[in-house]
Amino acid sequence: DIQMTQSPSTLSASVGDRVTITCRASESVSTWLAWYQQKPGKAPNLLIHTASNVESGVPSRFSGSGSGTEFTLTISSLQPVDFATYYCQQYYSPQATFGQGTKLEIK
Amino acid sequence: QVQLVQSGSELKKPGASVKVSCKASGYTFTNYPMNWVRQAPGQGLEWMGWINTNTGNPTYAQGFTGRFVFSLDTSVSTAYLQISSLKAEDTAVYYCAREVVVEPAPYGWFDPWGQGTLVTVSS
Repeated sequence: DIQMTQSPSTLSASVGDRVTITCRASESVSTWLAWYQQKPGKAPNLLIHTASNVESGVPSRFSGSGSGTEFTLTISSLQPVDFATYYCQQYYSPQATFGQGTKLEIK
Repeated sequence: QVQLVQSGSELKKPGASVKVSCKASGYTFTNYPMNWVRQAPGQGLEWMGWINTNTGNPTYAQGFTGRFVFSLDTSVSTAYLQISSLKAEDTAVYYCAREVVVEPAPYGWFDPWGQGTLVTVSS
């Protein structure tokens, strides 16, 4: 299976900060990567697919980039509603795999 | 709107079985594969596998063979997850998620997700 590793596991930041979360794949997944946001007690919500395509309705402060084995999710100016856990997921292989998650906390 | 609505929380004893339902609406059910994802308490997301909603053919991830069964009732646009011989370590929230495949991608991303079903296994 393709292993997905996110860093950092926890990130403390303030409202207005620019933050970046990294996701690395154990082998190339081309651009077949998605990002999800999950808030406590809720289902994950799709933010970005195909590495950089922002889903309709997602605020423009979210962006994604990367290809091959290294990807980033950037939030340009953190808002209070953005404090949540973020997961990457590859859909290159028949066995989908998720990163372990990055918890974004208020500093 | 596209929506997946899952059945409610379940409390089961070890050794029992449980069947979780996932009812789809707002789209043609058989046009999209359905996936299942597990989230143990305080843990991350773990892909369990998927079912072809056209053929009913299931594919299970490693670690989810034997006691886990995916099934469908296309007449009511509903997917099911059945877990037998429940163990304490099966305690988790189980999500269904529609897979969106857009060529040339080999597989797809998950959108939307059901609201999740908490299965608690305790004596």
